[in-house]
Order: sequence, then C-alpha cells, then structure tokens
Amino acid sequence: ETGVTQTPRHLVMGMTNKKSLKCEQHLGHNAMYWYKQSAKKPLELMFVYSLEERVENNSVPSRFSPECPNSSHLFLHLHTLQPEDSALYLCASSQVWTGFTEAFFGQGTRLTVV
Amino acid sequence: AQTVTQSQPEMSVQEAETVTLSCTYDTSESDYYLFWYKQPPSRQMILVIRQEAYKQQNATENRFSVNFQKAAKSFSLKISDSQLGDAAMYFCACTSGTYKYIFGTGTRLKVLA
Repeated sequence: ETGVTQTPRHLVMGMTNKKSLKCEQHLGHNAMYWYKQSAKKPLELMFVYSLEERVENNSVPSRFSPECPNSSHLFLHLHTLQPEDSALYLCASSQVWTGFTEAFFGQGTRLTVV
Repeated sequence: AQTVTQSQPEMSVQEAETVTLSCTYDTSESDYYLFWYKQPPSRQMILVIRQEAYKQQNATENRFSVNFQKAAKSFSLKISDSQLGDAAMYFCACTSGTYKYIFGTGTRLKVLA
C-alpha cells in the first residue's frame, strides 16, 4: 500500500466514548500532521510530529491526545468529545528540510459526535 | 505569521473552458513554497501544482498553470480545457519549508457540462 492511509473512514461516537484515529504513511517521511477540517473554515493544524517528537500543538483541547510511536504511524486518541468536534480529520506527512516540501494527505476520517 | 486568502468561495466553468482561481498570501519569510491542492468528493487532498518562491518562471502541469506575482503576493491557478473531473474544492497553501503549512478557506469549482 502506498501513500497515507487513515482508518476508520467514518466514525460516530457519543460524548462519553473513547476512540482512536489511526494514520499510517508509506512514504518514508519524517514529519506527520493532524488537521481538522470544518465547513467554511481553513484547515486547522492540530499537531505536528517531526522525527517522532511533537513540535506543534496549536492550543488543542486535552480531549484530543496524539501519539506517534514511530515515524510511520500517528494516532489521535479521542475522549469526552463535544458535538462541535464533529469534522473531517486529515492526516498528512512530509519530508521536512529537503527540497520536496509538499504534504501528502490521507482520505480523512469523518467524525460525528452525537 | 503567514496567511493565505482565497476570496472566491465558489466558481463555475463550462466544460472545455478556462477558469482562474485566485489566491493571495502574506509571509515574512524570504524563501517559501506555494501549492494548490485539489480535494474531490473522495476527500483526499491531492497536490495539483507547486511553486518555489525563488523561481520566477510560473509552474505548469499539463492543463494547470499558475500566475505567480511575488511582489503582489498573488498566486492564481489557471485550469485550461476544464473537465468534469476537475470539479472539486481547491486549496491554496503556503509553507516556508518547515512543517508549517497554511491553507486558505478553499474555492469550490463546479464544471458545467
């Protein structure tokens, strides 16, 4: 499998549930990202991991907890979410500090909080 | 701080015609990269074209080309011979080459048969 793969594609969860989103990249990149995409808003950068260390955390509520066990995998652990957290969550990867700087994206997880 | 602005929430183009999507950006970096991404209904963001700021020549990829005006901080995307498969959301993005990608709000392109 190539590129960036996200699972699940769709997720419906109650506000008291705990779930996790998974992202896997097969591109040999050294940075991975979580973005939140809501209607009529710019993509919001949530977390960045570079060389498996978190380098960016854009004031994201603690109910979102990222984990990067290695350079190929990224998780987003979710607990006690709110309805306003319903959105498309996109994972991306890139190779930082080389000439090829575009980010490659997965197909996203459509999250609905009920 | 970097900002990216797409002032056209929605555009329509007749099949086989040409359309231009607008993007302006602001950055204090001297070296940066600009991108256009396409997001079809399948939701996966796909890179359409990229431009290195230090290059004066406008990037071209088949039917897609950009008009990069560095002084004006403008980066528009021209789609020639529009096809039904071009219908999607288009996002303009900017990065200074590290891990910070700043995206615009997107332009929804409709292609009319």
